[in-house]
Amino acid sequence: GDSVTQMEGPVTLSEEAFLTINCTYTATGYPSLFWYVQYPGEGLQLLLKATKADDKGSNKGFEATYRKETTSFHLEKGSVQVSDSAVYFCALSDLIQGAQKLVFGQGTRLTINP
Amino acid sequence: GAGVSQSPRYKVAKRGQDVALRCDPISGHVSLFWYQQALGQGPEFLTYFQNEAQLDKSGLPSDRFFAERPEGSVSTLKIQRTQQEDSAVYLCASKSAGDSETQYFGPGTRLLVL
Repeated sequence: GDSVTQMEGPVTLSEEAFLTINCTYTATGYPSLFWYVQYPGEGLQLLLKATKADDKGSNKGFEATYRKETTSFHLEKGSVQVSDSAVYFCALSDLIQGAQKLVFGQGTRLTINP
Repeated sequence: GAGVSQSPRYKVAKRGQDVALRCDPISGHVSLFWYQQALGQGPEFLTYFQNEAQLDKSGLPSDRFFAERPEGSVSTLKIQRTQQEDSAVYLCASKSAGDSETQYFGPGTRLLVL
């Protein structure tokens, strides 16, 4: 079945550092890819998404590019802030297969120190 | 506008007790999903409704889990004879017919079975 593998956490960085959180996927169809973020005490929020190969999703300074050749969707940000501290989840949705559900990775906890 | 709401936010149950968790989706959203998130893990799909029809219940872990959405709006996830392994955060998400990709999540219900 479909699966998502994320970089193990936790990740701790200093403010203004460059961030990469790796995400790779396995899918039998043509999935859409997502990054969701969970801030402390809050629910999951969509951060960005990409629906086809070579699409780049971006939001709040974060970016991720849908790479079909490497089955990856790595999350990047050039200069992180303390407010970016949260848990980040990579996910896929394979609509072609008729599956409406999201399949999530295990999450990566990010802590940014001032 | 109002987002997805869930109640109760926290529930403590004794082993063997029945519980009912409620989800109020965003008004007008036809699709509704339930996920289970164990501590330190990503959410895992439980079941999916389109309006009042339960189209996919492949993720329900046992016949003790039952979900309904009788009028195509509010949904209830019921767990009978709770076990300790049922302790988790239960997340509800909804999606509009127009946006085929994005699911909007509620804050979750944290269930602790003692």
